[in-house]
Amino acid sequence: LAKTTQPISMDSYEGQEVNITCSHNNIATNDYITWYQQFPSQGPRFIIQGYKTKVTNEVASLFIPADRKSSTLSLPRVSLSDTAVYYCLVGDRVTGGGNKLTFGTGTQLKVEL
Amino acid sequence: DAGVTQSPTHLIKTRGQQVTLRCSPKSGHDTVSWYQQALGQGPQFIFQYYEEEERQRGNFPDRFSGHQFPNYSSELNVNALLLGDSALYLCASSGSGRVDEQFFGPGTRLTVL
Repeated sequence: LAKTTQPISMDSYEGQEVNITCSHNNIATNDYITWYQQFPSQGPRFIIQGYKTKVTNEVASLFIPADRKSSTLSLPRVSLSDTAVYYCLVGDRVTGGGNKLTFGTGTQLKVEL
Repeated sequence: DAGVTQSPTHLIKTRGQQVTLRCSPKSGHDTVSWYQQALGQGPQFIFQYYEEEERQRGNFPDRFSGHQFPNYSSELNVNALLLGDSALYLCASSGSGRVDEQFFGPGTRLTVL
């Protein structure tokens, strides 16, 4: 699986847009990019997944440039409740059951008033 | 609709003992994966069960074993506990029809003394 690199931590204030960038230089043709969010003492929660260009859902947007060697998770107008660890994962979309997810150390986002 | 449930919430064991953790997947899901998350680290894949068979396995010793029952629930067994087995153990479920995301339970916090 392609290795990912993301900042260890980021700080922001309520109401701001937060962009977390993930590098995955060795991404393979079949790989998808997925982001998970994790609060303390809880399991990770799926946020968004994409293959190329831009994907948007009710929670976030995911920007993927043409070379797919990086991706940016964008959280619009963050609030205190967005304080969490954000993980970028890259891997095959395995059919027939579920993926073996490979997590890095993630980005600790801290949102303040 | 209940999500992924895990029991117990917390567990304290001593070195050399054996432990069994339990997981019930989200309704409609047939695949269960187990992860170990040490403090300050991302979750690490242990193994995955589908149709009562271990389908994938991560880099964990044979002391870690599992089982999946006909109702898709699953158990994780760890024998000969070591201090280093202290961690949050997460269960995740997914359905064969949609592999984009895995739903995680709240985890079981295991402390080995």
